[in-house]
Amino acid sequence: EPEVTQTPSHQVTQMGQEVILRCVPISNHLYFYWYRQILGQKVEFLVSFYNNEISEKSEIFDDQFSVERPDGSNFTLKIRSTKLEDSAMYFCASSLQGFGTDTQYFGPGTRLTVL
Amino acid sequence: GNSVTQMEGPVTLSEEAFLTINCTYTATGYPSLFWYVQYPGEGLQLLLKATKADDKGSNKGFEATYRKETTSFHLEKGSVQVSDSAVYFCALRAGTQGAQKLVFGQGTRLTINP
Repeated sequence: EPEVTQTPSHQVTQMGQEVILRCVPISNHLYFYWYRQILGQKVEFLVSFYNNEISEKSEIFDDQFSVERPDGSNFTLKIRSTKLEDSAMYFCASSLQGFGTDTQYFGPGTRLTVL
Repeated sequence: GNSVTQMEGPVTLSEEAFLTINCTYTATGYPSLFWYVQYPGEGLQLLLKATKADDKGSNKGFEATYRKETTSFHLEKGSVQVSDSAVYFCALRAGTQGAQKLVFGQGTRLTINP
């Protein structure tokens, strides 16, 4: 069964450093998402992406964050200058359609630790 | 805005016990409702979903009914197994076009003891 993959599974970085989290969505999907979960808290929406542009972003997704689909298969989340509070599990998701009961498929997540 | 509230965890049950995890929502319009499950070390997996009032989603012995009058989507299972130990997330999705995000509850950790 097709699945969403994410790399790395765990990333440790120093505060102020740039990180890039990578995702390979399911190949025929058109809608892409990033969510994050700070330890012990809710899964929060960061950004959605369709047709090579951002569809929606949350308040969390400030100028330090960016997303890109550099080729036909990868979908990346970049944090330019990491802060301690960026430490969280980051989930990528993809879907064929963008609304209703169409299923969003999630990757296993990247645990980001900012020291 | 749209929001989801789940019962506080963790929940610990014995094998073969009856399970209920409460979920209520606040939303404009008519959202779609979902339950996702996260097994240890894995990502979120869709467990079941429902589109409209009185719809019942079911999968792997789990059920949830979309109750518009009480704005609820409680998850139930008649006889839980050790393998059901996981974190369960209730979520909603509102909107009829575009890339609509999921809004999650806080998650409920379930542990089933043999």
